[in-house]
Amino acid sequence: NAGVTQTPKFQVLKTGQSMTLQCAQDMNHEYMSWYRQDPGMGLRLIHYSVGAGITDQGEVPNGYNVSRSTTEDFPLRLLSAAPSQTSVYFCASSSGIKAFFGQGTRLTVV
Amino acid sequence: GIQVEQSPPDLILQEGANSTLRCNFSDSVNNLQWFHQNPWGQLINLFYIPSGTKQNGRLSATTVATERYSLLYISSSQTTDSGVYFCAVNFGNEKLTFGTGTRLTIIP
Repeated sequence: NAGVTQTPKFQVLKTGQSMTLQCAQDMNHEYMSWYRQDPGMGLRLIHYSVGAGITDQGEVPNGYNVSRSTTEDFPLRLLSAAPSQTSVYFCASSSGIKAFFGQGTRLTVV
Repeated sequence: GIQVEQSPPDLILQEGANSTLRCNFSDSVNNLQWFHQNPWGQLINLFYIPSGTKQNGRLSATTVATERYSLLYISSSQTTDSGVYFCAVNFGNEKLTFGTGTRLTIIP
């Protein structure tokens, strides 16, 4: 049972490049979400999904897109990377009670 | 939105000591969870505790929903307990709001 799997673990991008952070879960959870964590701060919600085909914005959605075509996968797309998007990104899935997090992706935009 | 405050922001203890971490929240919630972020960055779910008391080994948690706070107790601290402890809450949906965390350092 892998839980929540995120790839890649580390990434360096140049300003203006695009990329997709992958997230997959094998727990059949309907709810999935993306957070970013910046130094000295807690986690802030970027986007979330309550099921396949349904997504919505969180607290800090600008510069990011998501889609949910299957229950298992919830990729996060950076459209045109900016230095302000340097952060650690976490994907989570939830049963409605407990949330489970992936190992995180450390992204640096130069 | 719901505000979540954690205290203290930093805590340094000798191995074997006990500690109490606090989480205050500004509104009624139907979900409160405690997480441990280890030094490698991994977030581990410790407790789902919207009310009452739960225990898991040396860790226990109590939430008093009517007074809008939760406490995480760590007894006989070990160096592996080091890291950042977060509480997170939601109300009416599954969008968790996180506190800014308590950084715990256990000295051997």
